[in-house]
Amino acid sequence: GENVEQHPSTLSVQEGDSAVIKCTYSDSASNYFPWYKQELGKRPQLIIDIRSNVGEKKDQRIAVTLNKTAKHFSLHITETQPEDSAVYFCAASKEAAGNKLTFGGGTRVLVKP
Amino acid sequence: GAVVSQHPSWVICKSGTSVKIECRSLDFQATTMFWYRQFPKQSLMLMATSNEGSKATYEQGVEKDKFLINHASLTLSTLTVTSAHPEDSSFYICSARSTSTGELFFGEGSRLTVL
Repeated sequence: GENVEQHPSTLSVQEGDSAVIKCTYSDSASNYFPWYKQELGKRPQLIIDIRSNVGEKKDQRIAVTLNKTAKHFSLHITETQPEDSAVYFCAASKEAAGNKLTFGGGTRVLVKP
Repeated sequence: GAVVSQHPSWVICKSGTSVKIECRSLDFQATTMFWYRQFPKQSLMLMATSNEGSKATYEQGVEKDKFLINHASLTLSTLTVTSAHPEDSSFYICSARSTSTGELFFGEGSRLTVL
């Protein structure tokens, strides 16, 4: 089955700096890669996603890049703010298989004011 | 946006009892729902895929007789933790896949504590 590795497990950045989280996946048939933000005790919130037919997607301060050949994708947060502090999860799935998500291990991001 | 409601949001029970957690899609139909388990400071681990009108598909290592899943309607799936033990204490989260759009929406989670 699919295996998703996520790095780093923790990330501390100064407010205003950028944060980058990287994920690799094992199943070349995976074609949908969402990123979730989860605050303590809350549900995961979808913040951005990318499908395998594009290499990059951007939404304001958040961007995701995908390298299908290398089977890795990354989340980039620019101009970080304290409210960006949370745990971020990457995931991978095959849309034709009903979007059964396999999650990465998570990255705890702390933005210092 | 679409809403998925889980109930209860938290529950404390005695060892040996059974606990039922509900996952409802409030404004859309969901032929497929997923149940995840999350330990503190860890990732979400898929337990099973719940399909309306048929048996759930369990992930490897998940005991189907321990974690009973019923998906009786297009808007409701239930997870019953049978004969709960302290090691079953965890955060259980469901997600529902919209039948019409294919989008996934997560419930707010249910925190189970078994004494």
